[in-house]
Amino acid sequence: DAKTTQPTSMDCAEGRAANLPCNHSTISGNEYVYWYRQIHSQGPQYIIHGLKNNETNEMASLIITEDRKSSTLILPHATLRDTAVYYCIVRVIIGTYKYIFGTGTRLKVLA
Amino acid sequence: NAGVMQNPRHLVRRRGQEARLRCSPMKGHSHVYWYRQLPEEGLKFMVYLQKENIIDESGMPKERFSAEFPKEGPSILRIQQVVRGDSAAYFCASSLTEANEQFFGPGTRLTVL
Repeated sequence: DAKTTQPTSMDCAEGRAANLPCNHSTISGNEYVYWYRQIHSQGPQYIIHGLKNNETNEMASLIITEDRKSSTLILPHATLRDTAVYYCIVRVIIGTYKYIFGTGTRLKVLA
Repeated sequence: NAGVMQNPRHLVRRRGQEARLRCSPMKGHSHVYWYRQLPEEGLKFMVYLQKENIIDESGMPKERFSAEFPKEGPSILRIQQVVRGDSAAYFCASSLTEANEQFFGPGTRLTVL
């Protein structure tokens, strides 16, 4: 089972910031938080990952709480092309570095 | 700078036939992962391979499914005697090392009639 909990769906107005929360209360000290998105039925697209510090790249920002039990992905200026299912993944290291996907958050950006 | 390539993109098979799905990782990547996605569900890990070795096949069904990643050529996911329940999207991902992020291909959509 996935170690993360995300809201099933969210709406966001175009041009506004989209804040997608993720709960991972059982995360271990050496586990990273990864975010991917899947647009329509395409292959998942890597967005960002972090361990305990906040991270930013050209696509998004990742804010991880100090206790590491939750995080928020921020898309600063959402566009219609950001409509997708967003997956928050805790990288479980059980022999290998496989991903365990949950059901994700279906983000709909509204014009 | 080609990404992960998968072919065919769409595959139709009748029950009992064999399906072969191919995956070419990104240049320089020697770690390959296969995932399956049923309609309206998240991706499920199937198998992790390095060149010529299966590292983790904990997500693979015990029968009919096999995977390989030969020294030369793409990784192959093979499904023998397909059944309707095998209809799904199959995604391949690759990474530079097992600790790096995985990059996914566009997937192969298998339909079993």
